[in-house]
Amino acid sequence: KAGVTQTPRYLIKTRGQQVTLSCSPISGHRSVSWYQQTPGQGLQFLFEYFSETQRNKGNFPGRFSGRQFSNSRSEMNVSTLELGDSALYLCASSLIGNPPGREAFFGQGTRLTVV
Amino acid sequence: AQTVTQSQPEMSVQEAETVTLSCTYDTSESDYYLFWYKQPPSRQMILVIRQEAYKQQNATENRFSVNFQKAAKSFSLKISDSQLGDAAMYFCAYNTDKLIFGTGTRLQVFP
Repeated sequence: KAGVTQTPRYLIKTRGQQVTLSCSPISGHRSVSWYQQTPGQGLQFLFEYFSETQRNKGNFPGRFSGRQFSNSRSEMNVSTLELGDSALYLCASSLIGNPPGREAFFGQGTRLTVV
Repeated sequence: AQTVTQSQPEMSVQEAETVTLSCTYDTSESDYYLFWYKQPPSRQMILVIRQEAYKQQNATENRFSVNFQKAAKSFSLKISDSQLGDAAMYFCAYNTDKLIFGTGTRLQVFP
């Protein structure tokens, strides 16, 4: 069974540009969550999608957005990139997201560098 | 708000020895889940062990076990018979409708 696939693995963008990251969850999983990992702030929750609907959102500015397609694949978009957006972006999938004891399976992440 | 604290930025252990990583959390909820995740240099987060708060029995997965003290809001991870492959960042996480992570502990394993 294939794991969580994130593309691309590495990305370099210029300040002011926008970027789209992709996450394909494990087959059958309907919940996709996104996390940002930085040395300064650690791992922070961005948002969760379930059945194409955003079910939960973290404390990030509106420049961060996402969506989920009918096949459960999810995309995350960051507009007007800032240097501080440089981070490892991790995607996690789970069967239904709730109950909270469900194991979340993570992808290998996308390393975004903003220059 | 729920918080998770890992007070040990780095730990080291000799191969075959035992090491304990500490984690405390704060919550007003009575039913929740706690996790330990491992993040090796490959960056992929891997679930090590899971504990359900309503279960008094400490979870165990092979060489990994936890000491869950609900009243003290403490959730430490014990790694027995440490192996070189255990070297990684270890994150404690609390789960409500999302995972809240601690800052991590970098574990080094020496031969």
